[in-house]
Amino acid sequence: DIKMTQSPSSLSASVGDRVTITCRASQGIMNYVAWYQQKPGKVPILLIYAASTLQTGVPSRFSGSGSGTDFTLTISSLQPEDVATYYCQKYNSALITFGQGTRLEIK
Amino acid sequence: QVQLVQSGAEVKKPGASVKVSCKASGYSFTGYYIYWLRQAPGQGLECMGRINPNSGGTNYAQQFQGRVTMTRDTSINTVYMELSRLTLADTAVYICAKAATRGDYYFDYWGQGTLVTVSS
Repeated sequence: DIKMTQSPSSLSASVGDRVTITCRASQGIMNYVAWYQQKPGKVPILLIYAASTLQTGVPSRFSGSGSGTDFTLTISSLQPEDVATYYCQKYNSALITFGQGTRLEIK
Repeated sequence: QVQLVQSGAEVKKPGASVKVSCKASGYSFTGYYIYWLRQAPGQGLECMGRINPNSGGTNYAQQFQGRVTMTRDTSINTVYMELSRLTLADTAVYICAKAATRGDYYFDYWGQGTLVTVSS
């Protein structure tokens, strides 16, 4: 099974900071990666798919990049409403898996 | 608009079974896989498996094989997930999610989640 290793597990940054979260696949998965944001008590929402395509309605400060085994989610200018846990997901096969999650807080 | 509406919270005893429903609306029900995921308290997301609402075909994650059954009723656009032989470790929020396209298994719409509590 292909594993998705996400880092860091938690992150504290200031409003306006550039924030980067990474996800590494144990095998190459082309660009079959999605990123989600989950706020406390809510279900996740889709931010990015195909590694770098922004879902409709998602603010443009979110971006994704990567291909093969290494992927990143970047928030260009952190806002207070971005406090959440972020998950990557690989979907190159029916057996989808998620990274362990990154908890993002405001410093 | 697309909606996935799940059944309400459940409390079960160890050894019992639970059946959670997920009613879809606002799109072609038979056109897209539905996945079942779960999230234990304070933990990450775990995939349990998926169902093809058109054919009824299923794929289950290995750790749930033999304990999980996913079914659908196309007359009411509803899928079901039944988990048997519950243990305390099955306490979690169970969530259905719609695959975004017919061939891409990321999720554009999610149910609201159903809390299943297993307690003696």
